[in-house]
Amino acid sequence: GENVEQHPSTLSVQEGDSAVIKCTYSDSASNYFPWYKQELGKGPQLIIDIRSNVGEKKDQRIAVTLNKTAKHFSLHITETQPEDSAVYFCAASGAAGNKLTFGGGTRVLVKP
Amino acid sequence: KAGVTQTPRYLIKTRGQQVTLSCSPISGHRSVSWYQQTPGQGLQFLFEYFSETQRNKGNFPGRFSGRQFSNSRSEMNVSTLELGDSALYLCASTPLGSLGSEQYFGPGTRLTVT
Repeated sequence: GENVEQHPSTLSVQEGDSAVIKCTYSDSASNYFPWYKQELGKGPQLIIDIRSNVGEKKDQRIAVTLNKTAKHFSLHITETQPEDSAVYFCAASGAAGNKLTFGGGTRVLVKP
Repeated sequence: KAGVTQTPRYLIKTRGQQVTLSCSPISGHRSVSWYQQTPGQGLQFLFEYFSETQRNKGNFPGRFSGRQFSNSRSEMNVSTLELGDSALYLCASTPLGSLGSEQYFGPGTRLTVT
């Protein structure tokens, strides 16, 4: 089955700096790659996603890149703000319905 | 539009008991998936329902079961509870029945087994 690895597990950045989180996946049939942000006491919130026919997608301060050949995708957050502090999860899904396989998560701390 | 709602939000049960959790998807969404979140195992897929049929199932024992009703609302049941079943149970709904569509999560039900 699919396996998703996520790095780093924790990330501390200064407000205004950029943050990058990287994920690798194992199943070449995976074709949908969402990113979720989870704040304390809440469910994961979809913040951006990318499909396998696209190499890059941007939404304001966040962007995601996908390298299908290398089977890795990354989340980039620019101009970080304290409210960006949360746990971020990458995930992958493919031919197996809507089943999402998640990475282990990255705890991001943005220091003012 | 209202988001995914889950009830109850918190639950405390004793080993050996059973529990039923409920999920109401976003209006118009027809696919519902369930996930278990624990500090040790992370987010793990339990099962997915579409049009009242289980379309996919994760690697959990038969004590975990679910169903979906004609209005797309879903329930999951865990029988003979074990301490290791303590977790946040998350429900997610998908707007389309097709593959690889975005999933929107509810706030979860925090289950504690004592």
